Amino acid sequence: RKEVEQDPGPFNVPEGATVAFNCTYSNSASQSFFWYRQDCRKEPKLLMSVYSSGNEDGRFTAQLNRASQYISLLIRDSKLSDSATYLCVVNSDRGSTLGRLYFGRGTQLTVWP
Amino acid sequence: DTGVSQNPRHKITKRGQNVTFRCDPISEHNRLYWYRQTLGQGPEFLTYFQNEAQLEKSRLLSDRFSAERPKGSFSTLEIQRTEQGDSAMYLCASSLDRGARNIQYFGAGTRLSVL
Repeated sequence: RKEVEQDPGPFNVPEGATVAFNCTYSNSASQSFFWYRQDCRKEPKLLMSVYSSGNEDGRFTAQLNRASQYISLLIRDSKLSDSATYLCVVNSDRGSTLGRLYFGRGTQLTVWP
Repeated sequence: DTGVSQNPRHKITKRGQNVTFRCDPISEHNRLYWYRQTLGQGPEFLTYFQNEAQLEKSRLLSDRFSAERPKGSFSTLEIQRTEQGDSAMYLCASSLDRGARNIQYFGAGTRLSVL
């Protein structure tokens, strides 16, 4: 079983739409959670960290449900520039694996005009 | 500001040849990571260093792969006797040790093609 499972999409939405991505993780002891964004043939870049209480950064809202081991990302008022792959990422804190990031395979988003 | 720098950006080699990649982390970062990414997949962890010590290696890192960080600054990843299955993007990341919430910053990667 993979550490992080994510629906690869693709999601194709019009400008202005609201879109939500979800992922699940398998290690209940995980402590840190992130969403990274990756443009085509570029490196992953941190979009936002995910906190237990949920957090918002402009049009982006991240939620964490520890009981269900479920992470979500909501994008409101989608822009053309939001087109990218969104990677769900978990930092394992299991002793010797401290520091390693586990990535989902990414969800591809295309926003069309 | 200099982020994580990787060289070369692209490498084309013939099967059986050895290749070496270099990563220069963000200067004050003490942790350095190597990941591999194939098409349609997220990055997969290979190994990581805290300063010059290599603390963990994935089982993906076969004996043909070796990584070093001799002075706790830049790192090299060498692949010996390359195989076509080694074709991938090799990503380096660095972070400043802040416990569990260490945020990793990635370089642009080295894209390896093995013919």
